[in-house]
Amino acid sequence: DTEVTQTPKHLVMGMTNKKSLKCEQHMGHRAMYWYKQKAKKPPELMFVYSYEKLSINESVPSRFSPECPNSSLLNLHLHALQPEDSALYLCASSVAGALEQYFGPGTRLTVT
Amino acid sequence: EDKVVQSPLSLVVHEGDTVTLNCSYEVTNFRSLLWYKQEKKAPTFLFMLTSSGIEKKSGRLSSILDKKELFSILNITATQTGDSAIYLCAVLTPDSNYQLIWGAGTKLIIKP
Repeated sequence: DTEVTQTPKHLVMGMTNKKSLKCEQHMGHRAMYWYKQKAKKPPELMFVYSYEKLSINESVPSRFSPECPNSSLLNLHLHALQPEDSALYLCASSVAGALEQYFGPGTRLTVT
Repeated sequence: EDKVVQSPLSLVVHEGDTVTLNCSYEVTNFRSLLWYKQEKKAPTFLFMLTSSGIEKKSGRLSSILDKKELFSILNITATQTGDSAIYLCAVLTPDSNYQLIWGAGTKLIIKP
């Protein structure tokens, strides 16, 4: 299994909703990442988990809350989002932090 | 400040042409340079380059790194319409737990 999966593919939520994005990989990778990508821009790093511990939080607002329940799963909990949070949210994983990152297909999030 | 610059920002060619995409970088600590192809969804990993002067090839795509002049090129020969995509260059730095520093991307359009 050489892929990163993400669910859901698309998500529309209101500003008062609580939702979660899920990411899963079974490649034995011990580093997992959340990125946010706006149209025509490269991905922006949000969070890095290394060996299930949060190692980087790139000054992301608290309405985004990551969680790494085990080495294969990564969640991103969303609460009270703003319309400007609408974007493609990408999950990636790598062998620790030193090698190429493999991306999931992303979740297209629209906040209304 | 670490940065990665890609050129051109966009490129339109005809099928069968050969294209060269450029990526230059200025980073404090360099580990490796990665190329990704992004169509409608997530970036797809193409190459990781760590050593100067060693060409990596995959079918019609090839890439090489020059660590003295701080740049890399991605060549695509005999282009096809399926090569139309945004090509992203990123530099892996051991700072901040191996963050990727992304270029803005080159939008490549192949006309039939």
